[in-house]
Amino acid sequence: DAMVIQNPRYQVTQFGKPVTLSCSQTLNHNVMYWYQQKSSQAPKLLFHYYDKDFNNEADTPDNFQSRRPNTSFCFLDIRSPGLGDAAMYLCATSAQYSYNEQFFGPGTRLTVL
Amino acid sequence: GIQVEQSPPDLILQEGANSTLRCNFSDSVNNLQWFHQNPWGQLINLFYIPSGTKQNGRLSATTVATERYSLLYISSSQTTDSGVYFCAVPNSGGGADGLTFGKGTHLIIQP
Repeated sequence: DAMVIQNPRYQVTQFGKPVTLSCSQTLNHNVMYWYQQKSSQAPKLLFHYYDKDFNNEADTPDNFQSRRPNTSFCFLDIRSPGLGDAAMYLCATSAQYSYNEQFFGPGTRLTVL
Repeated sequence: GIQVEQSPPDLILQEGANSTLRCNFSDSVNNLQWFHQNPWGQLINLFYIPSGTKQNGRLSATTVATERYSLLYISSSQTTDSGVYFCAVPNSGGGADGLTFGKGTHLIIQP
């Protein structure tokens, strides 16, 4: 089945230690998104890639970066995680336009010690 | 940006009951999705419903785009229906934009 895969499902890191989360998709979608969801809150968009074009949300901290080496893979890099970055990180994909349905991966739950 | 409001924020029901969840949005949209977030945190797609009515088993949804609201109906609730239900719409009308989510309805179905 076509799907969105995230690894790892659970990630523990130390305060200030860089961490990378990964997402892959077999849907061959143009667009890949990263959302952050803190406890008891709604998911919030961090940034997205339309093919290789990177689009950052205005209020996404500089501490968060992303890479998309090819259509199938997208990475979220947190350069210096703080305690406030502990959250669920959700990757999603969609075909070309905003009216297309988005499909989400299972998420990576990040703990910062 | 677009605003999305969901009601009620919390709902506790007995197994077998029916429920209606509401989603209001502040601007015209070309996409609306309903999700169920399971206990492990995964967002499960329930409906892609920019307008009209759709049904899938015990669940159905209606979006009235001209009046800027959508309803999710759950009939004959089961304990496995528990979780958080989100509606979400695109941040803007064009391009490959992300979704703005409502704050969700936390549904608890008691046996």
